Order: sequence, then C-alpha cells, then structure tokens
Amino acid sequence: SSELTQDSAVSVALGQKVRITCQGDSLRIFFASWYQQRPGQAPVLVVYGENNRPSGIPDRFSASNSGNTASLTITGAQAEDEADYYCNSRDSNSNHVIFGRGTKLTVL
Amino acid sequence: QVQVAESGGGLVKPGGSLRLSCTASGFTFSDYFMNWIRQAPGKGLEWVSYISGSGRTIYYADSVKGRFTISRDNANNSLYLQMKSLRDDDTAVYYCAGGDSPTPQEYWGQGVLVAVSS
Repeated sequence: SSELTQDSAVSVALGQKVRITCQGDSLRIFFASWYQQRPGQAPVLVVYGENNRPSGIPDRFSASNSGNTASLTITGAQAEDEADYYCNSRDSNSNHVIFGRGTKLTVL
Repeated sequence: QVQVAESGGGLVKPGGSLRLSCTASGFTFSDYFMNWIRQAPGKGLEWVSYISGSGRTIYYADSVKGRFTISRDNANNSLYLQMKSLRDDDTAVYYCAGGDSPTPQEYWGQGVLVAVSS
C-alpha cells in the first residue's frame, strides 16, 4: 500500500511561520487532510482539501499542494500550536485511508 | 452541537473478543462515512476501518482484516467494531471519526482504551 512521509519533528520560534510537509504518491490524486493532536487529546481536523478550514480553526492554518507533496503552513505560530500534526489521504490503489507518522511541532 | 462518544473498551486477554460502540449526534449520521482509527501508546494514528453511510461499502486495514467487523445502525446513530482474536499489538486508544467522505474525518470522539494483555 501507499505511504505518506512526514518529518518527525519541526520547531518554530513564537510568532514565526512554519511549514510541515507530507509526501506520497496518493497525493497526486487525493488531497491531504491535516490533524492537530495535543497531548492527551483526540485529533482535531485543521485543514483539508485544496485549502479549507473547519469552523473555529484560526486562519493562521493553511494548506498547499504540489505534485506528490502537501504542506500545512502555520503563519504566526502560537504557543498553543505546539502539538503533533498528522496528514492523511486515501490510498489510490486500495481505497484505504493512510496516515503519515506525524510531525511533532515545538514552538520555541 | 456535534457529539461523538465511544464505549466498550477495557482489558482483554490475547485471543479474546471485545465490541466497541460509538454514538453520534449533531449531524446527519446516515450521510457520513464512519471510521475506526487507533493509536497505540506513544505511537501515531493508524486507520482501522471505514463504512459508508449506507453500510454497503466497507474497508479494513490489512492488520485487522478477518478479525474485526465494522457495522452501523443508522436508526440509532451508532457505529460498532466487533474485535476477535485480539493480540497484544491491538492495544490502543480507539477513536470513532466521521466525515462526508472517507477523508477527511471531520468529527472525532475522545477515544476508548483497549488493552490486550494476559
């Protein structure tokens, strides 16, 4: 089955911009969705599709897509953005759902 | 207000069975794909299974195929996961999550812990 590859850890200074990437062949066909998971909490959908945010998600979260790479950008990172971020999409071969291994974001 | 709540977790011995339930409200349940997604302690998210709104389309991860069965009761806004032949590596928090397509999963429950241990 297909895989989605994410960096294991990324850091950003408070108030700065950070990009988290997700790579995989399925992203040439299906958009990625992005989830934030704070310690001890359930995941929360933050961005999906071409660049859509669910109600209540701050507009500092945005998505972009190019070829086999999807990116989540946080413009003006806040302390509360420190969390694990996961991408997912559908596997173009099996119709299964696949997740990246997650990126731990540290806000310095 | 959307609410999703899992139940039925607990401690079970290897080879045992367990049935998880999930009840949802605040959205049109029968229109939504529903997923089970799990997270082993200290690990990432792993998709387990999804079922379409009608129940006619079902997929399983290879790691659970043949052992787990997903089902739903749209009349009662409920989702189920019957788990058999449980193994140590099935130990995880199991989340119920739904969306109007297989991805994204828009609504999530708080999760329920399944611990498989002798």
